[in-house]
Amino acid sequence: GDSVTQMEGPVTLSEEAFLTINCTYTATGYPSLFWYVQYPGEGLQLLLKATKADDKGSNKGFEATYRKETTSFHLEKGSVQVSDSAVYFCALMNSGGYQKVTFGTGTKLQVIP
Amino acid sequence: EAQVTQNPRYLITVTGKKLTVTCSQNMNHEYMSWYRQDPGLGLRQIYYSMNVEVTDKGDVPEGYKVSRKEKRNFPLILESPSPNQTSLYFCASSFRNRGLLNSPLHFGNGTRLTVT
Repeated sequence: GDSVTQMEGPVTLSEEAFLTINCTYTATGYPSLFWYVQYPGEGLQLLLKATKADDKGSNKGFEATYRKETTSFHLEKGSVQVSDSAVYFCALMNSGGYQKVTFGTGTKLQVIP
Repeated sequence: EAQVTQNPRYLITVTGKKLTVTCSQNMNHEYMSWYRQDPGLGLRQIYYSMNVEVTDKGDVPEGYKVSRKEKRNFPLILESPSPNQTSLYFCASSFRNRGLLNSPLHFGNGTRLTVT
């Protein structure tokens, strides 16, 4: 079945540092890939998405590129801020009839001033 | 404002006492789903619904029930809660996928349930 593996956290960075959170997936067919972010006390929000190979999703300075050859969708940001502290989830959705989303276990990011 | 509303936000109950967590969305979404979030396990799907009167089991349905009598509402029912159902629960909704257009999920703010 489908699965998503993302790096263990927590990740602690200083403000303005470069961020990479690794995500790899296993899936049949041609899934869409997502990054969701969960701020403390809130539900998940879509951060960015990519629907086909070589697509780059971007939002709020975050980027991720759909790499089919390495089955990866790593999240990057050039300069993190304290306000980016949150839990980040990588996810995939296969274009099957029942629309199931498979989530990774989440990576907690803490940015310190 | 487009949103998914869950109630209550926090709930403490005792083993065996039936409870319902409500979920409502105002975006006319066909698809709705319930997840539980546990440390180290990420989000696991409990039940989902592709449309009114259509529900199906997710990965961890044991001990839960759902209903979808109206498009906007998708309550989660625990008939006889047990301590292993202590968790953070999220309701989510989206448009039903059309071809390769995979619609992202919109989440509620969660319900933290404690069963003693």
